[in-house]
Amino acid sequence: NAGVTQTPKFQVLKTGQSMTLQCAQDMNHEYMSWYRQDPGMGLRLIHYSVGAGITDQGEVPNGYNVSRSTTEDFPLRLLSAAPSQTSVYFCASSYVGAGGKNTGELFFGEGSRLTVL
Amino acid sequence: AQSVTQLDSHVSVSEGTPVLLRCNYSSSYSPSLFWYVQHPNKGLQLLLKYTSAATLVKGINGFEAEFKKSETSFHLTKPSAHMSDASEYFCVVSDRGSGNNRLAFGKGNQVVVIP
Repeated sequence: NAGVTQTPKFQVLKTGQSMTLQCAQDMNHEYMSWYRQDPGMGLRLIHYSVGAGITDQGEVPNGYNVSRSTTEDFPLRLLSAAPSQTSVYFCASSYVGAGGKNTGELFFGEGSRLTVL
Repeated sequence: AQSVTQLDSHVSVSEGTPVLLRCNYSSSYSPSLFWYVQHPNKGLQLLLKYTSAATLVKGINGFEAEFKKSETSFHLTKPSAHMSDASEYFCVVSDRGSGNNRLAFGKGNQVVVIP
């Protein structure tokens, strides 16, 4: 029962470098999303997808790209890392209910801790 | 847009005493409400949810929450705290009737359990 798997768990980057955070789920969930968690800020939505080939922006999308070529995978790309992107990143997935909306019952990965120097 | 307010970012309780975490929400539509728990260095896990059925919702590990529309609240309670309850708790709201596909997270309550 893998659920939602994120890699890597830890990463240190220098300002300006690019990288991809990987997310895979084996529950056949249509909805997948990326959040960042910063102290005292709760979780903020970066990007989300309701199915293969469909992505949309969340609250804080700047500096991040996503794509959804398969149901299982939803990678998050940092194009040119900045210190403000130092954070813990969570991938979460869910079934889609009526109207194409996520059910709110999210399954989370264990997080990827990113430090940008 | 929907939003959630969680007061008291840090809550200390003695083992065996009741736990109360307050959540107030704002929603333009009929809301769905959730409580998630985050154990140290882990992802979030669903504790309980309210959609549109019973207003008193029971979750895992002895937690429950009551939806009060008149007070726009969804407070989380547990009769007796256990050491394993030391974690961070997030209240979350979703607008079921809106066109957006977003959840609004509160800023969290860090619970410390004193032996």
